[in-house]
Amino acid sequence: DQQVKQNSPSLSVQEGRISILNCDYTNSMFDYFLWYKKYPAEGPTFLISISSIKDKNEDGRFTVFLNKSAKHLSLHIVPSQPGDSAVYFCAASSGNTGKLIFGQGTTLQVKP
Amino acid sequence: GAVVSQHPSWVICKSGTSVKIECRSLDFQATTMFWYRQFPKQSLMLMATSNEGSKATYEQGVEKDKFLINHASLTLSTLTVTSAHPEDSSFYICSASLHRNTIYFGEGSWLTVV
Repeated sequence: DQQVKQNSPSLSVQEGRISILNCDYTNSMFDYFLWYKKYPAEGPTFLISISSIKDKNEDGRFTVFLNKSAKHLSLHIVPSQPGDSAVYFCAASSGNTGKLIFGQGTTLQVKP
Repeated sequence: GAVVSQHPSWVICKSGTSVKIECRSLDFQATTMFWYRQFPKQSLMLMATSNEGSKATYEQGVEKDKFLINHASLTLSTLTVTSAHPEDSSFYICSASLHRNTIYFGEGSWLTVV
């Protein structure tokens, strides 16, 4: 049972445009969501997070939107840069545990 | 710099042998660490929660006798893959949380069993 789903395995965007990565979840107990960027054979790098009491969090070029009623969150990157090309994972947690459930990942390619 | 360090980064072992992977939290104490496994082109799957001074909590489907976890101190957790087989070849990653909003991941350890 996949509690966190990223239904788009890949996304290709032109440099300077917006990248939108989507994530859906099924467990209504999740109350904290995170986005990570990952390169092959490396650990994930934290990008941005959002608590369930908010619907938007922004940090520089990265904005995460949370729609609790739809159990959906998205990561917006604008403007996209070639260096953003990587695999992006969304993750969710419930309670104050630090235990994360990851989505399958979306490979983002930003073309110059 | 890294706040969670894993060692070794790469390890090759023969089938049937055991291999140990270390996860250290640098500059902070972690009463709880987590171990994940990632197969190629797949998601990071939580294997177990490592609790300092007590037994690890394993996720469903993870064999506790095969993946031994020891959290002997507040800065060190070890994962030992016992009697390794080729299907255990994977990328193993640990994480530690300073607090709920701050979760650090190690660099990962790539295990190849031949």
